[in-house]
Amino acid sequence: NAGVTQTPKFRVLKTGQSMTLLCAQDMNHEYMYWYRQDPGMGLRLIHYSVGEGTTAKGEVPDGYNVSRLKKQNFLLGLESAAPSQTSVYFCASNRDRGVNQPQHFGDGTRLSIL
Amino acid sequence: QKEVEQDPGPLSVPEGAIVSLNCTYSNSAFQYFMWYRQYSRKGPELLMYTYSSGNKEDGRFTAQVDKSSKYISLFIRDSQPSDSATYLCAMSPPGGGNKLTFGTGTQLKVEL
Repeated sequence: NAGVTQTPKFRVLKTGQSMTLLCAQDMNHEYMYWYRQDPGMGLRLIHYSVGEGTTAKGEVPDGYNVSRLKKQNFLLGLESAAPSQTSVYFCASNRDRGVNQPQHFGDGTRLSIL
Repeated sequence: QKEVEQDPGPLSVPEGAIVSLNCTYSNSAFQYFMWYRQYSRKGPELLMYTYSSGNKEDGRFTAQVDKSSKYISLFIRDSQPSDSATYLCAMSPPGGGNKLTFGTGTQLKVEL
């Protein structure tokens, strides 16, 4: 019963470095999402995907890229990390966009950019 | 002004108390309303969802929606220390279940 798995759990980067966050789900879900969670700001949608090979921008997409080459995986990339991207990143998935299909969340990646 | 406003707390109550958590919103298009619970260093998990106005009960939890006032509530009866968590409200317009708007969360601590 893995559900949604995010790797890594923690990471410290220097400004300008790049990295990729990996999200994997084993529930055969079509929809996947990347959020960031900041104090006082709540969860904000970065990018999402409605199926393998598709991606779309969310509320705060700037500075991030995503790819969904396989149905079970959704990757979030930071090409040139900035201190403003210090946050907790959550991945989520659901079967479709129906509200009776809740989004299942991973346990987050805590990212600090110095 | 944020679309969804939620008092961040923290809210501290004794075990057994009735807890009331609330959100207000400004977008009248929102039709679906959800409450997520998030334990420390974990991802959010869905507690309840409701459609339009009215009440929904599930065990010790009751969700209320008042669309005329743009106000939603989550009541927890007989609160337990295991209820200590951050509670996030979320909402979406019809057909927009893939684009949720979240509140900032209310931190709740239930003390022995």
